[in-house]
Amino acid sequence: EMQLVESGGGLVQPGGSLRLSCAASGFTFSTYWMSWFRQAPGKGLEWVANINQDGSHKFYVDSLKGRLTISRDNAKNSLFLQMNSLRAEDTAMYFCVREGNYEGINWFDPWGQGTLVTVSS
Amino acid sequence: AIQMTQSPSSLSASVGDRVTITCRASQGIRTDLGWYQQKAGKAPKLLIHAASSLQNGVPSRFSGSGSGTDFTLTISSLQPEDFATYYCLQDNNYPRTFGQGTRVEIK
Repeated sequence: EMQLVESGGGLVQPGGSLRLSCAASGFTFSTYWMSWFRQAPGKGLEWVANINQDGSHKFYVDSLKGRLTISRDNAKNSLFLQMNSLRAEDTAMYFCVREGNYEGINWFDPWGQGTLVTVSS
Repeated sequence: AIQMTQSPSSLSASVGDRVTITCRASQGIRTDLGWYQQKAGKAPKLLIHAASSLQNGVPSRFSGSGSGTDFTLTISSLQPEDFATYYCLQDNNYPRTFGQGTRVEIK
């Protein structure tokens, strides 16, 4: 069974940093693009960043560029999101998601259960 | 960024009703669109990708259509387990962008 399990969320002060992790199992991690999404409490979904199979290509949402770094360790089937200079508006549930692709068609499945980041003093 | 305008923002319907949700893209995105269902406190679940391809295991009462700028998600006969929030997501261009969501409630 394919599974994604996020960890690393928690309470952090404004200006602080956090590193989220996502452990993948049940599929060949190294052959897929991976993404992070987030959802602020009571709000809609937002795509945050993605990374290709070998980590050589990364894309970020403009509003977060410069404060985020997405990375992966294929030997450990793990995806990471380093977040710096955190702000109250970064408070959200962060989801790790596998990107499927076949002949130019994309899909996002499965999703992890999420890890909650709360930025507050 | 491509703007996705989803409507309605919420609707009330009864079990057995036919439900239609629409998404309009601010520019053409071919069929690079997916539909996701999210229940309260849960992660989103992929229903349809490439505008009309039903994900494995998703009931056939769900269907998607459209291309270019206008897309539709249809639930042919609403079931109790379908009460949730639905989102469209375009993957034609970066940044990937969602519609605002449609909350489907029990009438």
